[in-house]
Amino acid sequence: AQSVTQLGSHVSVSEGALVLLRCNYSSSVPPYLFWYVQYPNQGLQLLLKYTSAATLVKGINGFEAEFKKSETSFHLTKPSAHMSDAAEYFCAVSVGSGGSNYKLTFGKGTLLTVNP
Amino acid sequence: GAGVSQSPSNKVTEKGKDVELRCDPISGHTALYWYRQSLGQGLEFLIYFQGNSAPDKSGLPSDRFSAERTGGSVSTLTIQRTQQEDSAVYLCASSPRGRSSYEQYFGPGTRLTVT
Repeated sequence: AQSVTQLGSHVSVSEGALVLLRCNYSSSVPPYLFWYVQYPNQGLQLLLKYTSAATLVKGINGFEAEFKKSETSFHLTKPSAHMSDAAEYFCAVSVGSGGSNYKLTFGKGTLLTVNP
Repeated sequence: GAGVSQSPSNKVTEKGKDVELRCDPISGHTALYWYRQSLGQGLEFLIYFQGNSAPDKSGLPSDRFSAERTGGSVSTLTIQRTQQEDSAVYLCASSPRGRSSYEQYFGPGTRLTVT
């Protein structure tokens, strides 16, 4: 079975600083990996996804993530944090689990705080 | 175009009552998922529908939970004899089809509070 570990339930950065949110996965087969963002009282919005093409994936709002198979990691970065980036971020893995069910298995989430 | 919609947005119910939560997926999406988001358990998969195939119910936590999808579109998640531990946000997502590379589009969720 697949699993996702997000290191750090809460990350705090200053506006303009680098954002680094860590995600490690476990999967017996090549996974598809996703980062979602959730703003207060809203659903999940896709930031970016890795689907076995380029290992460096660029997403919306200036975020990017690099798939590193040797490290089983898919960390999310943004060079310069903005106040509007404050939200909860979820890393997820998708592996076929019978038929065509590609349910997402999520990490516990990382709450990002951006300080002025 | 319209995204995934869910109703009600909030539901408060008494312990022991039954509740129904509704999801309207994006038009044309054949795959539909229900997830539950709670403080203790994070985001958990509940059930998956794909077209006319039998649903994957492997994530339903007990037999008090059931779901159906009528006409390959709207889905209803029913919780019978609600318990306090059922309090959570229930999220619905749809996808063009059930393939891992496809993004799942999430609705805003229904916040269920069992008193």
